[in-house]
Amino acid sequence: DSGVTQTPKHLITATGQRVTLRCSPRSGDLSVYWYQQSLDQGLQFLIQYYNGEERAKGNILERFSAQQFPDLHSELNLSSLELGDSALYFCASSVATGEGEQFFGPGTRLTVL
Amino acid sequence: GENVEQHPSTLSVQEGDSAVIKCTYSDSASNYFPWYKQELGKRPQLIIDIRSNVGEKKDQRIAVTLNKTAKHFSLHITETQPEDSAVYFCAAITDSWGKFQFGAGTQVVVTP
Repeated sequence: DSGVTQTPKHLITATGQRVTLRCSPRSGDLSVYWYQQSLDQGLQFLIQYYNGEERAKGNILERFSAQQFPDLHSELNLSSLELGDSALYFCASSVATGEGEQFFGPGTRLTVL
Repeated sequence: GENVEQHPSTLSVQEGDSAVIKCTYSDSASNYFPWYKQELGKRPQLIIDIRSNVGEKKDQRIAVTLNKTAKHFSLHITETQPEDSAVYFCAAITDSWGKFQFGAGTQVVVTP
């Protein structure tokens, strides 16, 4: 157990819908990262927040957005869902930013039908 | 931005043999290079990392080497065991970017 929690574990929804994925980082970690992992694919970095502010942006679609709240938990919002958005979404946290181990949560499996 | 290429995409080795995975990166400012292991159905976990001021680092059967001039780094696993079977991801991070770019992953299969 990494100490990073993600909810829900599984999510099944329809095209065009909107969903919110939630992540609670390890106690003391200030950085939260979001990744998308499609079937048999690598880890696509989406976005990073550090202490409530956006720190870095990767290949995140405009239909996706995220935020980090004052208690440091983070939410990833996915809207106008398409079949291709079906994937495993990981959240990771680290103490700071840049160097250092990222601790991954168990992931949220999103299925868009 | 940073681009990380990882080879091979799959690697099959006999138990007891060595496995080597290579990654190249494009941003000369990259200064941190972690390796993550992801077992089937599980989350990625850090197994070893190296910083740009170090050329080699070893932890038991795992070692990582870094060639900053050539902009490539490699993961070496010696005396492979069935539990080494997993997908391995390399990454290159430039702290000023704060942006993590992972390689595409290498599926390692260790056959008894």
